[in-house]
Amino acid sequence: NAGVTQTPKFRVLKTGQSMTLLCAQDMNHEYMYWYRQDPGMGLRLIHYSVGEGTTAKGEVPDGYNVSRLKKQNFLLGLESAAPSQTSVYFCASSYGWGQRYEQYFGPGTRLTVT
Amino acid sequence: SQQGEEDPQALSIQEGENATMNCSYKTSINNLQWYRQNSGRGLVHLILIRSNEREKHSGRLRVTLDTSKKSSSLLITASRAADTASYFCATDGPRAQKLVFGQGTRLTINP
Repeated sequence: NAGVTQTPKFRVLKTGQSMTLLCAQDMNHEYMYWYRQDPGMGLRLIHYSVGEGTTAKGEVPDGYNVSRLKKQNFLLGLESAAPSQTSVYFCASSYGWGQRYEQYFGPGTRLTVT
Repeated sequence: SQQGEEDPQALSIQEGENATMNCSYKTSINNLQWYRQNSGRGLVHLILIRSNEREKHSGRLRVTLDTSKKSSSLLITASRAADTASYFCATDGPRAQKLVFGQGTRLTINP
């Protein structure tokens, strides 16, 4: 099993450009998450999904959109990238909801917006 | 809102020594989790401790939980160079359910 995979691994965007980050998991998990990690800020939840076709806002959702058309995929979109969105983005998935279940993380996407 | 906060922010020890990291949180919890992140990688789950547990072991890892002090500690015994990583605690309040991660402790093991 590949676990959680993310594409691309690195990306440089210019301000105003758009892009989509793809997350895929092969563990049949219902729950998927997108986080961003910034120095000194820890991980912050952007959006999450509790099942195919559902999405919800996390702690820092502004400037991002998500879609979960298939159970195994969770897409994060930036419609008009800003320098403040320079960060490392992690996708995660879990079997169940909440603190009782561990989350499995992908390797991350390092995004730079110039 | 941040729930778990790790202390210290950075820790550097010699190989073979024990490393202790602490996590404090603000509101009551149901469970607390610890994760490790190697440089340039995603987080990896280490251990989960429930609010009715006081101590849990996994190999060289020992986690304690003191709900009266709203704190947890992660002890790594006989440290190795491969333990060099950042360590995060994750928890949340009784209703929010979503995991909230602290800022992490950066551990360096010197050979």
